[in-house]
Amino acid sequence: QKEVEQDPGPLSIPEGAIVSLNCTYSNSAFQYFMWYRQYSRKGPELLMYTYSSGNKEDGRFTAQVDKSSKYISLFIRDSQPSDSATYLCAMSPQGGSEKLVFGKGTKLTVNP
Amino acid sequence: DARVTQTPRHKVTEMGQEVTMRCQPILGHNTVFWYRQTMMQGLELLAYFRNRAPLDDSGMPKDRFSAEMPDATLATLKIQPSEPRDSAVYFCASGLGLAGSREQFFGPGTRLTVL
Repeated sequence: QKEVEQDPGPLSIPEGAIVSLNCTYSNSAFQYFMWYRQYSRKGPELLMYTYSSGNKEDGRFTAQVDKSSKYISLFIRDSQPSDSATYLCAMSPQGGSEKLVFGKGTKLTVNP
Repeated sequence: DARVTQTPRHKVTEMGQEVTMRCQPILGHNTVFWYRQTMMQGLELLAYFRNRAPLDDSGMPKDRFSAEMPDATLATLKIQPSEPRDSAVYFCASGLGLAGSREQFFGPGTRLTVL
């Protein structure tokens, strides 16, 4: 079992829809949780950053962490064609090195 | 606008040739990471530096790959000799290296094709 599992999709949704992207993990030491967005032929860019459990909202994006279930989610509301990208989850334990463990990414297409 | 820069953006080479990729981290960042991304494996960490010192290169094939930071503004990743299986996109990322911070800022990548 990989440390971080992410369904690769692809997901195709209509403009304006709500979508949930998810990752599961096995390492209970993970405390830092991130979502990166990667447009085609570009580098990943940090979208959301959460420490420990709970929710974090930023505009149309909400990140949720459920450490009891070892499950994290990214919700996108009122999706736009510009949200079409690959979304990668990443996580890291407390202390130690700053290494991140990435999921393989979910490819999302928002159709106008 | 601070960002990580990488050169070259694209590289096509023949098997057996040496390839050198360069990265300029964001000024003031003291951690640097080299990743390789393929469809099959996703993003894989190759090497990681803090304050120019290599901390972890366990993800790197040691016989052909080497990573260095000659100074705080330059990180290099070298492949010698290159093989077709090295074809991938190579990303450099940098971070502040502060306690409790895990944010990494990625460059645009070097797309390598080895024929």
